[in-house]
Amino acid sequence: QKEVEQDPGPLSVPEGAIVSLNCTYSNSAFQYFMWYRQYSRKGPELLMYTYSSGNKEDGRFTAQVDKSSKYISLFIRDSQPSDSATYLCAILHNTDKLIFGTGTRLQVFP
Amino acid sequence: KAGVTQTPRYLIKTRGQQVTLSCSPISGHRSVSWYQQTPGQGLQFLFEYFSETQRNKGNFPGRFSGRQFSNSRSEMNVSTLELGDSALYLCASSEGTGNQPQHFGDGTRLSIL
Repeated sequence: QKEVEQDPGPLSVPEGAIVSLNCTYSNSAFQYFMWYRQYSRKGPELLMYTYSSGNKEDGRFTAQVDKSSKYISLFIRDSQPSDSATYLCAILHNTDKLIFGTGTRLQVFP
Repeated sequence: KAGVTQTPRYLIKTRGQQVTLSCSPISGHRSVSWYQQTPGQGLQFLFEYFSETQRNKGNFPGRFSGRQFSNSRSEMNVSTLELGDSALYLCASSEGTGNQPQHFGDGTRLSIL
């Protein structure tokens, strides 16, 4: 079993839709969770960083962590064509290495 | 503040050669990590350096090595290149160790012919 599993997508939604991106993880000791966005030919860009269960909001983005279910989500409200990218969940291992999901490719069409 | 800078952006090499990639972290960041990204395996951790010392290493062969300089800049070296080493190599920096968020550069795309 992989340490981090991510819905592979791809996901195609109309502009204005609410997008839900999800990951599960296997080790209950993991405490720090991140979401990155990666555009084509660019490096991953940190979107959200959280370490507690519950919701964290930043503009149109909400990160949700459920440690009891070992489940993390990223919600994008009012999605825009500029949100079209690959979204990667990542968990910070206690050795300071990031363990990434495989990424979900999102396309938002006008 | 300038972001993480990686050079070169693109590199083409042939099997058996060696290559050195460079990474300049965000100013003030002392930890540098390297990752390999391929379509099949996704993003995989190579190693992490802090204060010129390698703290962690991923599951890659000894052909992959790195170092960090006193100004926190880092280099990664791959010797005896194989076709399977074709990938995007990403560098990430953070302020220090211990659960710090990591910020990535745009990577060096290495192609092996």
